[in-house]
Amino acid sequence: SAVISQKPSRDICQRGTSLTIQCQVDSQVTMMFWYRQQPGQSLTLIATANQGSEATYESGFVIDKFPISRPNLTFSTLTVSNLSPEDSSIYLCSAYNPVSTEAFFGQGTRLTVV
Amino acid sequence: DAKTTQPTSMDCAEGRAANLPCNHSTISGNEYVYWYRQIHSQGPQYIIHGLKNNETNEMASLIITEDRKSSTLILPHATLRDTAVYYCIVRVGNSGYALNFGKGTSLLVTP
Repeated sequence: SAVISQKPSRDICQRGTSLTIQCQVDSQVTMMFWYRQQPGQSLTLIATANQGSEATYESGFVIDKFPISRPNLTFSTLTVSNLSPEDSSIYLCSAYNPVSTEAFFGQGTRLTVV
Repeated sequence: DAKTTQPTSMDCAEGRAANLPCNHSTISGNEYVYWYRQIHSQGPQYIIHGLKNNETNEMASLIITEDRKSSTLILPHATLRDTAVYYCIVRVGNSGYALNFGKGTSLLVTP
């Protein structure tokens, strides 16, 4: 089983600023994803982080607001830009293991925007 | 991915079996049934998956009906630590695409 380290685990940010979340996997993985979980809601996919190329965003999410990097097969970052209180959510990264076909998740980053 | 339907919430007494149902009447022949759970304030955790045969691991059992239109996740001896939201997800096994989470079932295990 892959282990994903995600940090920070939580942060409180001022509106208008940005937060970058890091996700480190302990083994090389083909696919990595970023999700948002708003209070009391299920997980919503933000984007697929593609190694060496631009991320693939889901409807309603744009690169200017959620820039993503994936420089190699074990690491990815998500930045949430120009923060507003509506961005207060839990953000989770996930990796896919093609051998077991399981998805693994980080512990999440709880963001509060004030 | 096929759509799934789960009850919004369920209760279970500690030590008893928790049986969580899932309907997936539009499942395709190459789609697997996956179960994940999310304990409060943690990332989702894989539990089990299956195609058509019943499956069992150290965490749970998965019973899939013969027509594959529904399934049941069984936690044989529920503990308080099993209180979580349980998600039933249907997808092609090796597609590599992201999981599509529905609302899941909120299971409360009581003393």
